[in-house]
Amino acid sequence: GENVEQHPSTLSVQEGDSAVIKCTYSDSASNYFPWYKQELGKGPQLIIDIRSNVGEKKDQRIAVTLNKTAKHFSLHITETQPEDSAVYFCAAAGGGGTASKLTFGTGTRLQVTL
Amino acid sequence: DGGITQSPKYLFRKEGQNVTLSCEQNLNHDAMYWYRQDPGQGLRLIYYSQIVNDFQKGDIAEGYSVSREKKESFPLTVTSAQKNPTAFYLCATNRQGSYGYTFGSGTRLTVV
Repeated sequence: GENVEQHPSTLSVQEGDSAVIKCTYSDSASNYFPWYKQELGKGPQLIIDIRSNVGEKKDQRIAVTLNKTAKHFSLHITETQPEDSAVYFCAAAGGGGTASKLTFGTGTRLQVTL
Repeated sequence: DGGITQSPKYLFRKEGQNVTLSCEQNLNHDAMYWYRQDPGQGLRLIYYSQIVNDFQKGDIAEGYSVSREKKESFPLTVTSAQKNPTAFYLCATNRQGSYGYTFGSGTRLTVV
């Protein structure tokens, strides 16, 4: 089955700096890579996703890049703000078996300090 | 207002008890999922269901059971066979053919 690794597990940046979170996946058949943001005591919310036919996608201060050859993808947050502080999860899907089932990374706790 | 409702938000279980966590959705999504979240371990899949009256085991199904009698509902029972049930449980849904999940707000289960 799919295996997704995520790094770092914790990340602290100053307000206004950029943050980068990286994930690798094992199943070369995977073709969908979402990122979720989870605030304390709440369920994760989708913030951006990318499909394998695209190398980069941007939405305001958030961007995701995908390198299918190396099987890794990254989340980039620019001009970080205190409200960006949360746990971020990457995931992968679309490989063999149930196509819509997501496999998640272990999460990154992002702390944006003033 | 469409969405997913998980209840209760907090649940306490005594040793040897079975407890059932509720997940209801009015999004008309076909597939429903249960994930367990422990610190440092991300989200691990317990069970999932793509259609009514059918469900499959995920990666950590032992000690859990589910049913899918209605499209809107996918309750999870944590049985006494689950040796370490204290965790945050998340329900999610998506449409058939779509990958994007919608999550509920979770149930925090504690064994006392």
